[in-house]
Amino acid sequence: EVQLVESGGGLVKPGGSLRLSCAASGFTFSTYNMNWVRQAPGKGLEWVSSISTSSGYIYYADSVKGRFTISRDDAKNSLYLQMNSLRAEDTAVYFCAREARITLVRGVSNWFDPWGQGTLVTVSS
Amino acid sequence: QSVLTQPPSASGTPGQRVTISCSGSSSNIGTNTVNWYQQLPGTAPKLLIYSNNQRPSGVPDRFSGSKSGTSASLAISGLQSEDEADYYCAAWDDSLSGWVFGGGTKLTVL
Repeated sequence: EVQLVESGGGLVKPGGSLRLSCAASGFTFSTYNMNWVRQAPGKGLEWVSSISTSSGYIYYADSVKGRFTISRDDAKNSLYLQMNSLRAEDTAVYFCAREARITLVRGVSNWFDPWGQGTLVTVSS
Repeated sequence: QSVLTQPPSASGTPGQRVTISCSGSSSNIGTNTVNWYQQLPGTAPKLLIYSNNQRPSGVPDRFSGSKSGTSASLAISGLQSEDEADYYCAAWDDSLSGWVFGGGTKLTVL
C-alpha cells in the first residue's frame, strides 16, 4: 500500500525553527517528485515547495522562500521540510504529497496522489 | 486571494447535477492540465480528477472534469450526501514556477 506519514509538527514560538519529516512506503520513492502543501485553520490549500528526483529541481512559494528548505533522503525514503524564522501565518496543517506524472503528446501532466494525513504546526508565543 | 478562482460554495439536492468552476490564466490552466481534489471534513485531500478529465480508479463516474481555454469545471451528477466536501482545483503555473490552487468550493447536499 502506498503511504505517506508526516511527523515533526508542534508548537513553536515566532522566530523559531521546526523540521518536518514525511516517511514514504509502498513505492519507489526515488523515482517521484515530492511536495509539501499546507492548510491554515479554516482556510484552503496552499502549495509550499516541490523537489524533483535526485533533488535536481527545487521550487518554493514566495511566502516561504528564504525561510524554508525542502530536502529528501532517497536511502531513507524520506522527505523533509526545514522551517526557520517561523511566523504566526505559518500556522497550518502541513501535508506531503507524491507527484505522479504522465507524458502527453505535448508536454506532461502532473498531479498529487496520494497525500499524507498531515502534521499540525502552530506558531504562537 | 487565490490564483485560481472558484465559487466559495455550491449546493444541490440528492440526485441533482452540480458544477463547480475554476478560472485561471494563460500561465496556468491555459497551458497546463488541471487536477481536482476532494477534501472530506477532517481528512486529507484526495485526488478526484487528474489531467483535466481523468478519473483515478475507485472514483465513481458521477464525477467528471473538463477544460476549455483558461477555465475548468468539475461536474457531479446524481448527487449523494457523501459528496458533501470541499473541492479544490489546481494547476502548475509557468510564470510563478509553482503549483496554484483554487480557494476551494464547499459543496452542501441539501
